[in-house]
Amino acid sequence: AQKITQTQPGMFVQEKEAVTLDCTYDTSDQSYGLFWYKQPSSGEMIFLIYQGSYDEQNATEGRYSLNFQKARKSANLVISASQLGDSAMYFCAMREPFSSGSARQLTFGSGTQLTVLP
Amino acid sequence: EPEVTQTPSHQVTQMGQEVILRCVPISNHLYFYWYRQILGQKVEFLVSFYNNEISEKSEIFDDQFSVERPDGSNFTLKIRSTKLEDSAMYFCASSKQGVANEKLFFGSGTQLSVL
Repeated sequence: AQKITQTQPGMFVQEKEAVTLDCTYDTSDQSYGLFWYKQPSSGEMIFLIYQGSYDEQNATEGRYSLNFQKARKSANLVISASQLGDSAMYFCAMREPFSSGSARQLTFGSGTQLTVLP
Repeated sequence: EPEVTQTPSHQVTQMGQEVILRCVPISNHLYFYWYRQILGQKVEFLVSFYNNEISEKSEIFDDQFSVERPDGSNFTLKIRSTKLEDSAMYFCASSKQGVANEKLFFGSGTQLSVL
């Protein structure tokens, strides 16, 4: 089974509108971390936002917020007031712990290509 | 903000040749990682490294791959005999504590092209 599922290979949004990028995950651990990264056409991986499994409030970072629904195992990224510079590939990722407490590797979804239209 | 630095940004090599990809992790980080991304595909984990030894590796990380921390600052990925299918963007990453709620800092990547 896929650990991270991003069902939207591509999304379009009008500039200044909000957009939601979907992410569902699969884990049997109670403690885990969820991350969103942005990859512009230049190729680098830019950290956007993090949500811990025990965090009661949804994470926010500027125009980015994470709609975390633990029971549904979803961690959707919401970008408000889209800008042309937001056009990029967006990856959802998860880290799970080893029994020792250290973390396993970061597992990525297949990504969503977001295009912001002027 | 401190950065993970990767060199070179692009590497072209002939099939069967050895390549070494270099990374300088953030100075006070203790956990180091290599990921790769074949064009148009998802980012895949290769290996994690802590305390001078491999802590986790994927099926991709076979005997053709090795990692090393030759000094106090560099972290390298060596591919002994490159294959066409090794062509990908290779990302180095580092983190301080290696726990699940900690973000990884990624470098800008090395685009490897095997001809």
